[in-house]
Amino acid sequence: KQEVTQIPAALSVPEGENLVLNCSFTDSAIYNLQWFRQDPGKGLTSLLLIQSSQREQTSGRLNASLDKSSGRSTLYIAASQPGDSATYLCAVNSGYSTLTFGKGTMLLVSP
Amino acid sequence: DAGVIQSPRHEVTEMGQEVTLRCKPISGHNSLFWYRQTMMRGLELLIYFNNNVPIDDSGMPEDRFSAKMPNASFSTLKIQPSEPRDSAVYFCASSLASHSNQPQHFGDGTRLSIL
Repeated sequence: KQEVTQIPAALSVPEGENLVLNCSFTDSAIYNLQWFRQDPGKGLTSLLLIQSSQREQTSGRLNASLDKSSGRSTLYIAASQPGDSATYLCAVNSGYSTLTFGKGTMLLVSP
Repeated sequence: DAGVIQSPRHEVTEMGQEVTLRCKPISGHNSLFWYRQTMMRGLELLIYFNNNVPIDDSGMPEDRFSAKMPNASFSTLKIQPSEPRDSAVYFCASSLASHSNQPQHFGDGTRLSIL
């Protein structure tokens, strides 16, 4: 059974810092990995999707990497802003469109 | 474009009552997913449909839970009878195709409280 772990559970940084969120998964036989953002009281917003054949994906200040063989992914946020404050969730697709989620990293960026 | 639409946004009811949650997927999406989110267990897949047919319901916790998708634009998740431990946020998501490499798009969820 696929298990997804996210470290740290919470992170507080001053505005402007670059930061890295970590995600690890136990079964490397995946189709893709998706990073989501969740704001309080809201649903999930898809940020980046990395196919199993890819090593990284970039969108603006966000860069996600994938090392399938070691079961790891990172989400890099450059020049963090208070508006980046949210919970970031990693989800692994192991097939048949079903996602297994980590419990998330709660990020607070202080002005 | 309209995203995934869920209703109601909040539901508070007494245990034993029937609860029905509703979801309208993004037009053109043919895969639909129901998830439950709690502090203890995080996000868990309950059931998913492809072309209105239930494909995997192994995440449905008990027989008290049932889900239907009578057409491509509507799905319901029903709990009968409801219990306090069912309190959670229930999310519906949809994706463009059953192909695994399509992102899932989530609704804003239904926050359910069973007293």
